[in-house]
This record gives sequence, C-alpha cells and structure tokens, in this order.
Amino acid sequence: DTAVSQTPKYLVTQMGNDKSIKCEQNLGHDTMYWYKQDSKKFLKIMFSYNNKELIINETVPNRFSPKSPDKAHLNLHINSLELGDSAVYFCASSQSGGRASYNEQFFGPGTRLTVL
Amino acid sequence: SQQGEEDPQALSIQEGENATMNCSYKTSINNLQWYRQNSGRGLVHLILIRSNEREKHSGRLRVTLDTSKKSSSLLITASRAADTASYFCATDHQAGTALIFGKGTTLSVSS
Repeated sequence: DTAVSQTPKYLVTQMGNDKSIKCEQNLGHDTMYWYKQDSKKFLKIMFSYNNKELIINETVPNRFSPKSPDKAHLNLHINSLELGDSAVYFCASSQSGGRASYNEQFFGPGTRLTVL
Repeated sequence: SQQGEEDPQALSIQEGENATMNCSYKTSINNLQWYRQNSGRGLVHLILIRSNEREKHSGRLRVTLDTSKKSSSLLITASRAADTASYFCATDHQAGTALIFGKGTTLSVSS
C-alpha cells in the first residue's frame, strides 16, 4: 500500500489556469509538507501543516494555497499559473513529537507540473 | 535559504567501489539526514544522525558528522548499479523547524 500518494502524477496546463494537486498519507502522521523541486533538483520547503494547522509558510506567492481537510490530506491549489511554476511538487509527511524535531519524512512520488 | 551543499555534484564509479559524498551546512543543526532520489521518483530516507552523534551505520551506509566543521559525509561501500541515484543531505537547525535540503550529489554506478 502506498504510504504517501499524490495525484495527478503529471499536470500540463496553460498559463493563467488554476489547478490543484492532492496528497494523502496513510501513515497516521500528524505533519505534512509541500516541497518544490526545480529543474536543477533543488528541493525547497513551501508549506508545513501540523494537525491541520499551518506552521510553516516559506516565501511562496499567495497564488499557492494549501488546504488540509484532515490530518491525512494536504492539497495544494495554485491560482493563475505562471511559467515559473513549472517544477516537480512533492508532498511528504512525518510524525512530530510536540516540540521535538521532525523525524524522517516520507515522500510522495511527485507531481510534474508543466505550465505552457 | 539553502542550508546544505553537497560535494561533489556528480560522481561516477564502478560497481564494487566505495562512494563518498560530502555535505556542508551553515548554521547549527539539530539533526542531519540523508535521502536518496531515484530518477523520476520521490525521496527515500536513508539515515538520520543527531547533532550529538559522530558516526552512524546502516547496512552499507556509513554517515559521519563533524559539527565543528559543519560537515557530514555519506559513504556507500561496495556500490551496486542500483545505488545509481541522487543523494541529498537535509538538516533542521532547531526543534520544530522544517528540513532544508542541499543541492544533491548525482551518483552513477556502472557495471
């Protein structure tokens, strides 16, 4: 069974469109993340949610809005897509321990977004 | 901001040889982790070393951490073609903060 799943795997769309990427984890973790990996493979944290509450929001355009309906899901909605949004987006989850540091993170397979 | 820098950026070796990758970081850390990413796939956690540890082993993997030099190394012994992947170090600099990844080392192991 897949631990962290994302849909879709590939997403090709036109500039200006609005799109969503879904993420689900069945590990019972309380913390979920979205990362963006650019063409040079640089991986950067975008958002982090703990028990459905936003705890990290790095410098990300407000066109990106994460939504967590429950602690097993963290979806990413992107408005007014731009060429520079083309990248691979990874969802991940981990089990935190209160103020303890994040433990190992489990990653989804990624969503390759191409904006034309 | 980027925390880790891996070195070298790319490494090509023959099966059976050892592969060593290095990671340097800028600020104090809580944990340092190494992840592997196969082409077109997500990242897989390999090993975590805490800031008060100096060395850790897991199978063919050996990780060292030198907090005075703010650096870590990942050694893969007796490499196999299946080890071909990109390897990333990731740090969190205090409890409750997210992981910050380096740029990665691309390892190619040929048979």
